[in-house]
Amino acid sequence: NAGVTQTPKFQVLKTGQSMTLQCAQDMNHNSMYWYRQDPGMGLRLIYYSASEGTTDKGEVPNGYNVSRLNKREFSLRLESAAPSQTSVYFCASSKNRANYGYTFGSGTRLTVV
Amino acid sequence: AQTVTQSQPEMSVQEAETVTLSCTYDTSESNYYLFWYKQPPSRQMILVIRQEAYKQQNATENRFSVNFQKAAKSFSLKISDSQLGDTAMYFCAYTGNQFYFGTGTSLTVIP
Repeated sequence: NAGVTQTPKFQVLKTGQSMTLQCAQDMNHNSMYWYRQDPGMGLRLIYYSASEGTTDKGEVPNGYNVSRLNKREFSLRLESAAPSQTSVYFCASSKNRANYGYTFGSGTRLTVV
Repeated sequence: AQTVTQSQPEMSVQEAETVTLSCTYDTSESNYYLFWYKQPPSRQMILVIRQEAYKQQNATENRFSVNFQKAAKSFSLKISDSQLGDTAMYFCAYTGNQFYFGTGTSLTVIP
C-alpha cells in the first residue's frame, strides 16, 4: 500500500533551471495538493486539484505550474527556479477537499543555488 | 492572511506527563474541519486527530484529545501520558473553502 509517492526526494538546481516534481497516489482520492514548507512559516498551499481535470491556485502560486495528468498523478513544475523557491515540497491527497484529512508524501527537499 | 495561529513555537514535557498545545483560527465560515498533524524528524506528516466544526463533542484518539471551543475559535491538542515518540513538530490545520496550516509547535518529550 504505497499511499502518496513523490519523486525526487532531494534536488539541487541552479537559478534559472526548470524541473518537475512528480506525485502519484494509489488510494483513488479525488483531490490532490502541493504544499511548500519553510522554517517558521508552516505549510503553505501552492496549488490544488479538487478533482480530475480541475486545478486552482492556493496561497503562494507564483513561479509554479501544475498538471493533473489523471486521477492518480499531479505534477508541480518550476519553469525558472529562483533561490526563494528553496524549500521542502509536499504532495498530499484526500478523498474530497481534505475534509477527512490529507495523506502526505514523504517530501522533496529542493535547493536552488 | 494567516488564518491559523499557533502561539507556542516550542514546548517541552516530561515523559508520562500531560501537555496541551494551543491553536486559534479565524473564519467566517460555518462548516469547516480542523486537524492536528505530527511531523517527526523523519519529515513525514501524520494525521493525529480530526474535528468537524458542526460536532460539539471533542474528538479523541487514544492518548490524544482536543478541546474545541467554536465560539472562541480555539482548538487545542492535549497529549496524555507523553512518550518519547511524541517528540515532533505539531501543526494545526483548517479546511473549509480555503486550506491553512499554522506555523507549528516543536514538542520535546524529556526522559
